[in-house]
Amino acid sequence: QSLLTQPPSASGTPGQRVIISCSGGSSNIGSNTVNWYQQFPGTAPKVVISTNSQRPSGVPGRFSGSKSGTSASLAISGLQSEDEADYYCAAWDDNLNGLVFGGGTKLTV
Amino acid sequence: VQMVESGGGLVQPGRSLRLSCAASGFIFDDHALHWVRQAPGRGLEWVSVITWNGGRIAYADSVKGRFIVSRDNARNSLFLEMNSLRPDDTALYFCVRDRSGYYGDLDYWGRGTLVTVSS
Repeated sequence: QSLLTQPPSASGTPGQRVIISCSGGSSNIGSNTVNWYQQFPGTAPKVVISTNSQRPSGVPGRFSGSKSGTSASLAISGLQSEDEADYYCAAWDDNLNGLVFGGGTKLTV
Repeated sequence: VQMVESGGGLVQPGRSLRLSCAASGFIFDDHALHWVRQAPGRGLEWVSVITWNGGRIAYADSVKGRFIVSRDNARNSLFLEMNSLRPDDTALYFCVRDRSGYYGDLDYWGRGTLVTVSS
C-alpha cells in the first residue's frame, strides 16, 4: 500500500472540471514538492505538473496543481477525451529516503 | 533528450540481469538519474536514484541489498545490476532523468525494458 493515497478512479464529461486528490504525510508531501504524471496505456509516463503547481512547456493550460499541508491535487478543467489516462502523484519521502508514488487514478472521460 | 533502456528479458528466479540506459541530448553529468518500474497492470514504483557523480545513491526497500545502480559519465550510460531476482521483480523498468536535483523531479522517461522473472 502506497504512502500517497489517490482515488483509484475518476470521471467526467467533456468540458467539465475534475479534481484528483493525493493524500500523504509530513515526511513526504508535508516536506517536499509534488509532481503529477500522466500515462497512456503502453507508453511511458509524462510529467504534467512539477513542483506542486508548475506546468512544463507543452502541457495545456487546463492542467493545474496545488498543495496544502500533506495533500495535493491535480485539476483538469475543460476536460477533453484525450485526457483519459492514468494519473500518478509523487513526492520524496524523507523517512524512506526515496521517492513514493500514489497508487494512480484512472480518469475516464 | 532521449533515454533508451536495454538488457531486459526472461530470467529464472535467483539469477542476475544487468540493465543499461543510453542517454543523449543533454549534459549527462549535470543530472541525477532514477530507475522506476511498473509491474504488468500495476502502478509506478520507484527503484533507485544516483547523483551525477555517484556520490549519493538510494534504493527502495524492496530492492535494497539485491540491486546496484551505477553510471558511466564518459559513456552517457546508466546501469542497474539486478541480483537474486524474484518473480515480483517482473516489471517494465524505466530510466528517468531528474530535472533539478536528486529528489525525484522526473522529466524525461525512456520507453522501458521488460524484465520477466519466471522459471
